Amino acid sequence: DAMVIQNPRYQVTQFGKPVTLSCSQTLNHNVMYWYQQKSSQAPKLLFHYYDKDFNNEADTPDNFQSRRPNTSFCFLDIRSPGLGDAAMYLCATSREGGGYEQYFGPGTRLTVT
Amino acid sequence: QQQVKQSPQSLIVQKGGISIINCAYENTAFDYFPWYQQFPGKGPALLIAIRPDVSEKKEGRFTISFNKSAKQFSLHIMDSQPGDSATYFCAAPYNQAGTALIFGKGTTLSVSS
Repeated sequence: DAMVIQNPRYQVTQFGKPVTLSCSQTLNHNVMYWYQQKSSQAPKLLFHYYDKDFNNEADTPDNFQSRRPNTSFCFLDIRSPGLGDAAMYLCATSREGGGYEQYFGPGTRLTVT
Repeated sequence: QQQVKQSPQSLIVQKGGISIINCAYENTAFDYFPWYQQFPGKGPALLIAIRPDVSEKKEGRFTISFNKSAKQFSLHIMDSQPGDSATYFCAAPYNQAGTALIFGKGTTLSVSS
């Protein structure tokens, strides 16, 4: 089945220790997204790629970076995680022109100790 | 930033009852209004979406009603079932390319048996 896969599902890191979350998709979609979702809150868009074109949200902290080496893979790097960065991180994809219909992965739950 | 205001924050409905969740938007440039459903520990999934040139769309027990003049749209779940218990998010695209979504704050629905 075509899908969005996120690894790992659970990640524990120490305060200030860099961490990388990964996302892969078999849907061959042009657009890939990273969202941060804290408990009982809406998903908050961090950035998205339209093909290789990177789009950063204005309020995304510089601590968050992303890489998309090819169509299938996208990475979220948190350079110096703080306690406030503990959250669920969701990867999503959509077709060109179909941004309203996003396909989400199961998420990575990040804990910062 | 454009906003999508969602209410109520939580909703308890008896099995078989009707669940109604409302959203109000600001930007008339939105061209699609999706609703997403999220179960605990999972990523959101598209439930149903409507274009602003129609007033209502129905898929099974789920109906979106759209009021363009009031800038409001709502989700109706008929014959609510315990399996519908989840968090529901309304959303709207907010950039010109239609590639980015802004989500409402979510409504946690509990259907009691």
